[in-house]
Amino acid sequence: AQSVTQLDSHVSVSEGTPVLLRCNYSSSYSPSLFWYVQHPNKGLQLLLKYTSAATLVKGINGFEAEFKKSETSFHLTKPSAHMSDAAEYFCVVSDQGDDKIIFGKGTRLHILP
Amino acid sequence: KAGVTQTPRYLIKTRGQQVTLSCSPISGHRSVSWYQQTPGQGLQFLFEYFSETQRNKGNFPGRFSGRQFSNSRSEMNVSTLELGDSALYLCASSLPGGDSDTQYFGPGTRLTVL
Repeated sequence: AQSVTQLDSHVSVSEGTPVLLRCNYSSSYSPSLFWYVQHPNKGLQLLLKYTSAATLVKGINGFEAEFKKSETSFHLTKPSAHMSDAAEYFCVVSDQGDDKIIFGKGTRLHILP
Repeated sequence: KAGVTQTPRYLIKTRGQQVTLSCSPISGHRSVSWYQQTPGQGLQFLFEYFSETQRNKGNFPGRFSGRQFSNSRSEMNVSTLELGDSALYLCASSLPGGDSDTQYFGPGTRLTVL
C-alpha cells in the first residue's frame, strides 16, 4: 500500500534563505510523486511532478525536488525564499498499479522578513 | 484554457439542510475528483467520476453523493448537513490517459454549517 509522510507540519525560514520541505513515501509499484502548493483560501496548484524521466525535477517559481529511491524521499527545495512562498505545501504519491492518489498532511511554510 | 471552476465559492447553511456544489472541469478533462479539506483532518478524498461513472469512493457516509454529466461537469450533494461538514470542498479534474494522475484544482467552495 502506498503512503506519504511530510516530516514537518510547520517550517519557518527567513526571506532569502534556502527552503527544504521534507517528504517520505512508500509505494509498491513505480510511483508518480507531486508537490502542490495552496495559498490561503485558494485551491491547490501543481508545483512539479516526478514520473521517472529524471530524478531532479524542476517546477514553477524556482522550486525543485529530488527523487531518491534508496531513501524513499522526495524533498522540495528552493535556493532563496520569497515572501510570496508563504503557503501550505502538499506532497502527493500516486501508484501506477493502484488507482489511488494519496496526499500528505501538508507543511505550512512561514517566511520571516 | 479556463481552469477548473467551482460554484458557489461560499455557502452558509444550517444543520439538517442539504447542499449542492458544482464543478466545471478544464475543457477536455473527463475525470473529476472531490475532496474535503478541514484543519483537523486535512485533505480527504470523497469520490472520483469518469465518463459519468463513479470510479473511486472515499470513506464518507452516504449523505455525501455526487454525479457527473455528459459534458463532464460534476455536482456533489450533501444531505442532512451536520456541523462537522463545515469545510473547504475542492474539485479537481484530470486528463484521460497517461497523465491522469496529475490533478488540476479549482478554488474550492467554502461551506459553513451553522
